[in-house]
Amino acid sequence: DGGITQSPKYLFRKEGQNVTLSCEQNLNHDAMYWYRQDPGQGLRLIYYSQIVNDFQKGDIAEGYSVSREKKESFPLTVTSAQKNPTAFYLCASSIDKGQGVRGTDTQYFGPGTRLTVL
Amino acid sequence: QKEVEQDPGPLSVPEGAIVSLNCTYSNSAFQYFMWYRQYSRKGPELLMYTYSSGNKEDGRFTAQVDKSSKYISLFIRDSQPSDSATYLCAMSKSWGKLQFGAGTQVVVTP
Repeated sequence: DGGITQSPKYLFRKEGQNVTLSCEQNLNHDAMYWYRQDPGQGLRLIYYSQIVNDFQKGDIAEGYSVSREKKESFPLTVTSAQKNPTAFYLCASSIDKGQGVRGTDTQYFGPGTRLTVL
Repeated sequence: QKEVEQDPGPLSVPEGAIVSLNCTYSNSAFQYFMWYRQYSRKGPELLMYTYSSGNKEDGRFTAQVDKSSKYISLFIRDSQPSDSATYLCAMSKSWGKLQFGAGTQVVVTP
C-alpha cells in the first residue's frame, strides 16, 4: 500500500529533552512538509523540503530542525528550545517540484504524532 | 488578522440535511483552494481541489470559489453521520505553502 507513515503515534517527552518524529512515504513524492496543529489554530507550517538535501523554514521553524537525506524520509526533531511543544504533528507530501503543474501540489497527510511534554 | 478565517463551529445538522461550510480570506493572490476532512486524532484527507473561481462537484460534495468576494464554500448534500468531522479549508498563492483555516467541526445527528 502506498502512503505516508508517522511514528510513534503518541510521544511523551520530559522538559529539556530533544525528540525526533519519524515520517516516511512510499509515494515517490519529491516534496515533504511538517505541520503543527493546535486546537482552534488550524495547521501551521514548520519546515518543508522540495528535494533531497534541501529544506526551507516555514512559518514557525524556531525550536525545530529537520533533515532530508533520503527522498522517502523527512524526520523532525523537536528541540528543547521549542517553548511549547505539546501539539499534534502532521507530515505531508506532494508530487510537485515547484513546476507549477496544476494539481500536483496537492498535499497528502500522514496519520500524525501527538507529542506531550510532561 | 489571519489570512484565512473559518468559523470553528460546532455545526450540528440532522441526517439528510445540507451542510454548508465557508472560509473567507484576505489575500487576493490565493489561486488554489482545497477542502480537507479530518476525523478526530487522524490526519486530514483531501476532499476537493479547485483552481480560481467557479464550482466543482464530486458526488455529494460541491466546492465553490468566489475570488471577487474572497470567499470559498463547501456543500455536503444528503449528510450522513459518517460526515461528522472537522473540515479544513486551505489555499495557496503558489506551489507548496498552504494556508489553512482553523477548521469547522461538523456533527451530523441521526
